[in-house]
Amino acid sequence: QKEVEQNSGPLSVPEGAIASLNCTYSDRVSQSFFWYRQYSGKSPELIMSIYSNGDKEDGRFTAQLNKASQYVSLLIRDSQPSDSATYLCAVNKGRGMNRDDKIIFGKGTRLHILP
Amino acid sequence: KAGVTQTPRYLIKTRGQQVTLSCSPISGHRSVSWYQQTPGQGLQFLFEYFSETQRNKGNFPGRFSGRQFSNSRSEMNVSTLELGDSALYLCASSWPSPGQGPLYGYTFGSGTRLTVV
Repeated sequence: QKEVEQNSGPLSVPEGAIASLNCTYSDRVSQSFFWYRQYSGKSPELIMSIYSNGDKEDGRFTAQLNKASQYVSLLIRDSQPSDSATYLCAVNKGRGMNRDDKIIFGKGTRLHILP
Repeated sequence: KAGVTQTPRYLIKTRGQQVTLSCSPISGHRSVSWYQQTPGQGLQFLFEYFSETQRNKGNFPGRFSGRQFSNSRSEMNVSTLELGDSALYLCASSWPSPGQGPLYGYTFGSGTRLTVV
């Protein structure tokens, strides 16, 4: 089982709709979770971080975490063409004690917003 | 506030050569991590440095090495280059609170695109 798994896509969503991106992880001790956006030819950019079970909202973005199911998701409301990018799920495998912290990335989901 | 600076942006090397890449983190950030990104494998963790010490290491051969200086700047070196080392090498800096690890996530540099021919 891969440490962080994402559907590679492409995921096509009409403009104005909700885009839903999903991610599962294998290590139960993981403490912190991140979503990065990467435009073609650019480096990843952090858009959301979440540490506790439940939802965290920031503008049009909502991150959802379910540690029991080892599942993280990202919802993008009112999708815009500028949201078209690859979205990377990342998980800190460590226990937050510095010694073993290591952020592992999924391979990303390509999102295409249809105008 | 300056971001993460990586140099050079592009490199072309021949098989068997060695290469050194440089990364200057955001001022005040003490943790520097290196990743290799390829279309097939995605982002793969190479190593992390904190206060001049390698704190974590990924599953790469010993040809990949790194170091961090007292000003938090970091270098990574790849010796005896192979064609498969062609990739985008990304440096990321973060500011962990003591005992909390990289909970603030990373800020990535623009990367160094290495082509081995």
